[in-house]
Amino acid sequence: GENVEQHPSTLSVQEGDSAVIKCTYSDSASNYFPWYKQELGKGPQLIIDIRSNVGEKKDQRIAVTLNKTAKHFSLHITETQPEDSAVYFCAASGTRDDKIIFGKGTRLHILP
Amino acid sequence: NAGVMQNPRHLVRRRGQEARLRCSPMKGHSHVYWYRQLPEEGLKFMVYLQKENIIDESGMPKERFSAEFPKEGPSILRIQQVVRGDSAAYFCASSLLTDQETQYFGPGTRLLVL
Repeated sequence: GENVEQHPSTLSVQEGDSAVIKCTYSDSASNYFPWYKQELGKGPQLIIDIRSNVGEKKDQRIAVTLNKTAKHFSLHITETQPEDSAVYFCAASGTRDDKIIFGKGTRLHILP
Repeated sequence: NAGVMQNPRHLVRRRGQEARLRCSPMKGHSHVYWYRQLPEEGLKFMVYLQKENIIDESGMPKERFSAEFPKEGPSILRIQQVVRGDSAAYFCASSLLTDQETQYFGPGTRLLVL
């Protein structure tokens, strides 16, 4: 089955700098890659997603890139702000079923 | 348009009791998914349901856990004879029939077994 690895587990970034979180997946049939942001005591919130027919997608300060050959995908947050502090999860799912397999999460701290 | 609703938000049970967790999907969503999250861990898939039908329960423990999504009313995740290891946050997500991959999550139920 699918396995998603996420790095780093913790990331501290100065406010205004960029943050990058990287994930790899194992199942070449996976074709949908969402990213979720989870704040303390809340459920995961979908912030951006990308499908396998696209290499990059951007939404304001957030961008995702996908390298299907290498089975890598990444989340980029530019001009980080204090409200970006949260745990971020990458995930993957494929056409064989609709299960979403999550990475273990990255705790992002934005330093003042 | 209300999002996914879960109740209770917090649930305390003693070992051996039953826990019932409820999930109401977003309006118009016909698919419900349950996930479990242990502290400092990602979310683990448990079960996927449509109305009156379990599609995939490959992530459910074989014993004590069951789920349903009746024709009327919320989806229920039921844990019988709870043990301390069941303590976790349980999240429900829902999706449209036409876009099952895009899942929207509820706020979760935090279960504590004493």
